Amino acid sequence: GENVEQHPSTLSVQEGDSAVIKCTYSDSASNYFPWYKQELGKRPQLIIDIRSNVGEKKDQRIAVTLNKTAKHFSLHITETQPEDSAVYFCAASYDGGSQGNLIFGKGTKLSVKP
Amino acid sequence: GAGVSQSPSNKVTEKGKDVELRCDPISGHTALYWYRQSLGQGLEFLIYFQGNSAPDKSGLPSDRFSAERTGGSVSTLTIQRTQQEDSAVYLCASSVRGRQSYEQYFGPGTRLTVT
Repeated sequence: GENVEQHPSTLSVQEGDSAVIKCTYSDSASNYFPWYKQELGKRPQLIIDIRSNVGEKKDQRIAVTLNKTAKHFSLHITETQPEDSAVYFCAASYDGGSQGNLIFGKGTKLSVKP
Repeated sequence: GAGVSQSPSNKVTEKGKDVELRCDPISGHTALYWYRQSLGQGLEFLIYFQGNSAPDKSGLPSDRFSAERTGGSVSTLTIQRTQQEDSAVYLCASSVRGRQSYEQYFGPGTRLTVT
């Protein structure tokens, strides 16, 4: 089955700097890669996702890149702000047929220092 | 509109007892997922329901865990003979299948503590 590795487990940056979180996946059939943000004590929420037919996607200060050949994808946050502090999870799934469950990485705790 | 709801929000039980956790998905969402999140850990997939198809139970850690979804809506996760290692936050999520977006909307979770 699918296995998702996420690095780093913790990341501390200064406000205004960029943050990059990287994930690798094992199943070449996976074609959907979302990123979820979980603030302390709250539920995970989708912040951005990418499909395997796209190499990059941007939404304001966040972007995700996908390298299908290498089976890795990354989350980039620019101009970080204290409210970006949270745990970020990457995930992978195969959106075909009756499939659909997400396999998550173990998360990255991002701390943005003012 | 109403989001995914879960009950109870907290559950403390003694080792060996059975517990039932409930999930009410967003109306119209055909897919429902259960995950487990241990302290400081990631989200562990447990089980997935999609419409009338047989559920994907591949993530259930043991035969003490079971889940059902009645009428394609409400789901109940049952843990029999609870063990201390079952202590975790159990999260339910739902999504609309067949659309361009497969975003999973999470509930607030049930924090289970086995003493």
